[in-house]
Amino acid sequence: ETGVTQTPRHLVMGMTNKKSLKCEQHLGHNAMYWYKQSAKKPLELMFVYSLEERVENNSVPSRFSPECPNSSHLFLHLHTLQPEDSALYLCASSQDRDGTRDTQYFGPGTRLTVL
Amino acid sequence: QKEVEQNSGPLSVPEGAIASLNCTYSDRGSQSFFWYRQYSGKSPELIMFIYSNGDKEDGRFTAQLNKASQYVSLLIRDSQPSDSATYLCAVRTYNTDKLIFGTGTRLQVFP
Repeated sequence: ETGVTQTPRHLVMGMTNKKSLKCEQHLGHNAMYWYKQSAKKPLELMFVYSLEERVENNSVPSRFSPECPNSSHLFLHLHTLQPEDSALYLCASSQDRDGTRDTQYFGPGTRLTVL
Repeated sequence: QKEVEQNSGPLSVPEGAIASLNCTYSDRGSQSFFWYRQYSGKSPELIMFIYSNGDKEDGRFTAQLNKASQYVSLLIRDSQPSDSATYLCAVRTYNTDKLIFGTGTRLQVFP
């Protein structure tokens, strides 16, 4: 256990559904991240939040909408997704974003399948 | 040129041998370097991080960083079948200030 939890662990949704992924970190970290991992591709950074403020949006389509209500929780709201969005979605957190406190710890991920 | 490059493998080593995993990066100003292990269907698990040139040892693992040559490597001594996994190299680049991951090297340790 890394101190980062994600729910649900598996999600199957149709293209017209709306769903949300949840991430919670119990490490007292200040930065949280969403990544997408597709087969045979490197981890792709989607969003970065630092002290609840979005500091990075990596050209992610608007059908993915992040929310960070406090420093311990991060959501990814999904709507009208496409089958190519099927992937493992990983949440991570780090103490800070720079210096020697930037080590990221990952949650278990949500395996998303879009039909 | 990819920002972080790794040989996809598989790298096959016998049990008890030393496994050597390599990673090169393109941004000369990169400052933080990480190795993660990822079992099939699981999330990445941090093994080591290194910030300074030279070697850093932790148990059976040794990370080696050479900033002049822009490579970072991971040595696994006394390899075990349980070490069979994909090893991800990640580099925090100076230019973008992002953590960039390589595609990973699949390691197979056979008995």
